[in-house]
Order: sequence, then structure tokens, then C-alpha cells
Amino acid sequence: QVQLVQSGAEVKKPGASVKVSCKASGYTFTSYFIHWVRQAPGQGLEWMGIINPSGGSTNFPQKFQGRVTMTRDTSTNTVYMELSSLRSEDTAVYYCARVDCSDGNCPPDSWGQGTLVTVSS
Amino acid sequence: DIQMTQSPSSLSASVGDRVTITCRASQGIRNDLGWYQQKPGKAPKRLIYAASSLQSGVPSRFSGSGSGTEFTLTISSLQPEDFATYYCLQHNTYPCSFGQGTKLEIK
Repeated sequence: QVQLVQSGAEVKKPGASVKVSCKASGYTFTSYFIHWVRQAPGQGLEWMGIINPSGGSTNFPQKFQGRVTMTRDTSTNTVYMELSSLRSEDTAVYYCARVDCSDGNCPPDSWGQGTLVTVSS
Repeated sequence: DIQMTQSPSSLSASVGDRVTITCRASQGIRNDLGWYQQKPGKAPKRLIYAASSLQSGVPSRFSGSGSGTEFTLTISSLQPEDFATYYCLQHNTYPCSFGQGTKLEIK
């Protein structure tokens, strides 16, 4: 069965970077796009971007340009999301989520368990 | 960027009620929309994809409709386990975008 297992909780100081991993299993890793979504405490879901594990191409909103990097390692079936220049507003649970269509144009169905990132001085 | 306006933001209802949640897109998105249910401390769960296709394993009391700019999620007869927060997600154009969420509470 499809599984996405994320790395553990992180506590970071303002200005630092965090790198969250998402290890996939149960399917052909390079066949399905993976989204990243975050949720600040008590708030709604925010789309952070998408990566195609096949070629590594990415797309993310303008607000994260220059601060977010999404990469993948096909040898370990793992995708990574790195967010730099952290500020308190980046405190959130970060999720990876996989789509279930080969062209990537469908809403993600399988989600990781979430990774809490806390930014605090 | 496409804005998704979801309403209502909160809703009180009773077991057995029929409820409808709406998402409006700021421009046409065909049927490139999904609906999610999220319970506290849990990852979202996909209920509907392609605006009206029911996810396998999801009870048939959930249904989705719409195309273009207006979409609805309907729960035909609320069950106790349905009290949660619901989100729509458009994936027609990057950046993808979620609605603000609808918190469904017990009356």
C-alpha cells in the first residue's frame, strides 16, 4: 500500500533553515507527483508547491520563491522540502501528499503524517 | 492566481441533516477540483476528485457537483463522524489553491 513517512518534528530559530523529508513506498516513486502543503496552528491548508519525482521539476507560489527548495532522491524514494530564512509565521505542520494520476493533474490522495516545524527564538 | 472562496466558514447542523458547502473559483477551472475532510490532528482525507467522483471507500452520502467556477459538496444525511473541517482544492492552474475551509459542528 502507498505510504509516505515524514521526518520528525523540528524546532528552529528565526533565520535558520529546515529540511523536511518524505519517504515513499508501495508504488513506483517516479510515476506520481508529490505536493507539499502546510497548516499553521488553528489555520487552513496552504499549498506550498509540487515536485515531479521523475525529472525533479518543481512549481511553487510566488510567496515562496527564493525561500523554498524541493528535491528528490530516486535512490531512496525520498522527496525533500527545504524552507530557508524561517520566521515565526512559518510555524506549521508540513505535509507531503501524492497524486494518483500519471499526468499529475489530480488532487492528492495519499498524505504523510505531517511534520511540525516550530520557529522560535 | 486563482482564488477559491469557500462558504460558509462554519456551519452548525444536527445528525441526519443535509448540508451543502460551496466553493467558487475566481476563474474557470473545468472540473479540476477535489474535496477534503480533515479531523483535528490528522492529515486531510480526499472525499471527491474531478469535482464529482467519489473516492473509493467514502460513504455515498457524500457527493460533489459543479464545473467551471461553482462547486458544491453535499452530505445527504449527517453522521456523527462527519463533524470535521472541509476544504476544496483547485489543481487546474499553478499555484494550486485551497478554499478557506468550512468547520462543521454539532448543533
